[in-house]
Amino acid sequence: QVQLVQSGAEVKKPGASVKVSCKASGYTFTSYDINWVRQATGQGLEWMGWMNPNSGNTGYAQKFQGRVTMTRNTSISTAYMELSSLRSEDTAVYYCARGLGYWVYWGQGTLVTVSS
Amino acid sequence: SYELTQPPSVSVSPGQTASITCSGDKLGDKYACWYQQKPGQSPVLVIYQDSKRPSGIPERFSGSNSGNTATLTISGTQAMDEADYYCQAWDSSIYVFGTGTKVTVL
Repeated sequence: QVQLVQSGAEVKKPGASVKVSCKASGYTFTSYDINWVRQATGQGLEWMGWMNPNSGNTGYAQKFQGRVTMTRNTSISTAYMELSSLRSEDTAVYYCARGLGYWVYWGQGTLVTVSS
Repeated sequence: SYELTQPPSVSVSPGQTASITCSGDKLGDKYACWYQQKPGQSPVLVIYQDSKRPSGIPERFSGSNSGNTATLTISGTQAMDEADYYCQAWDSSIYVFGTGTKVTVL
């Protein structure tokens, strides 16, 4: 069965970077885009960007351009999302999701807390 | 930037029909999908490509998209349908979520 398993919760200081992983199983990793979405507590869903695991091509939401980097390691079927220059407003649950146009499969979410 | 607007809340009695709208400029020219999210859980896709239901999603969930508005309809609403619902549009590799609607089953 398809699974996306994300790394554990993180606590970071303002100005630091965080790298969240998303390990895929149950399908051919390079066949489907991986997207990243975040959700602050009590707030809505916010799309951050996509990555094609086959080519490594990426597309980022304008809001995160210059601060987010999405990469992958195909040998271990894992996608990564790194967000830099963290500020308190980046405190949120970060999700990975598989697909193009719509997303059936989602990771369980990773809580990133930014606090001094 | 492109924006999708939803009503903040919708209330419905058990067994009745709930309709949730999602408004955006020429939304009907794009594909829309809908996600259900319950507290503490990851979102679940309930409608994709305007009106298609993924495997395992009950028939009471249906969707439409025309003009500037996409609509999610829940017929015969059940208590288990109480959740937040988000529309999403996709165009040229850019994704946008709606503002979200809390559905309360009274």
